[in-house]
Amino acid sequence: DGGITQSPKYLFRKEGQNVTLSCEQNLNHDAMYWYRQDPGQGLRLIYYSQIVNDFQKGDIAEGYSVSREKKESFPLTVTSAQKNPTAFYLCASSPQLAGNYNEQFFGPGTRLTVL
Amino acid sequence: ILNVEQSPQSLHVQEGDSTNFTCSFPSSNFYALHWYRWETAKSPEALFVMTLNGDEKKKGRISATLNTKEGYSYLYIKGSQPEDSATYLCAFNSGYSTLTFGKGTMLLVSP
Repeated sequence: DGGITQSPKYLFRKEGQNVTLSCEQNLNHDAMYWYRQDPGQGLRLIYYSQIVNDFQKGDIAEGYSVSREKKESFPLTVTSAQKNPTAFYLCASSPQLAGNYNEQFFGPGTRLTVL
Repeated sequence: ILNVEQSPQSLHVQEGDSTNFTCSFPSSNFYALHWYRWETAKSPEALFVMTLNGDEKKKGRISATLNTKEGYSYLYIKGSQPEDSATYLCAFNSGYSTLTFGKGTMLLVSP
């Protein structure tokens, strides 16, 4: 089955701890994205990556970090510097960056709760 | 940050009703407009990619229109069914880098 997997589905962490959210795709897509959703808000872009070993900040990158060491993987680390980390996190991928009309394919999401 | 607005925020209709909602976006630097359907506990799924002014797209009972000059797109659902209950997202594509999403319209269809 081709698709995007995110794990875990639910994640609980204590305040002050870093936590890494996993995102893997087997669609052979070049571009990958991380979004955050809060109640009453649209999807807000955290980071995106066009190719391996390259990534760009999105609209709300502060307090987050990413890596892109492999084409199929784009993990997101929520650091202790992120002031309001409790949210729903969605990962997506597309064949190339959106500039070629390519639709984005989404994973099932991870709900992070920081206690 | 680009402004993409969706209205209404939520909508509750009865089975069989037809409904429509709106996405408004900047009329400059338009490249494409994407519609997604996001059902509870599932991943968002692409419905349409619209690129030309006057575009009309259809998938079953769902259709969409596009007006790039005035910066809006309508999504129509004919004869709503309970399985149409979802959040419908639009996303503006300026062709520059990434998509800018609206907050979505949450549709609930009661049997």
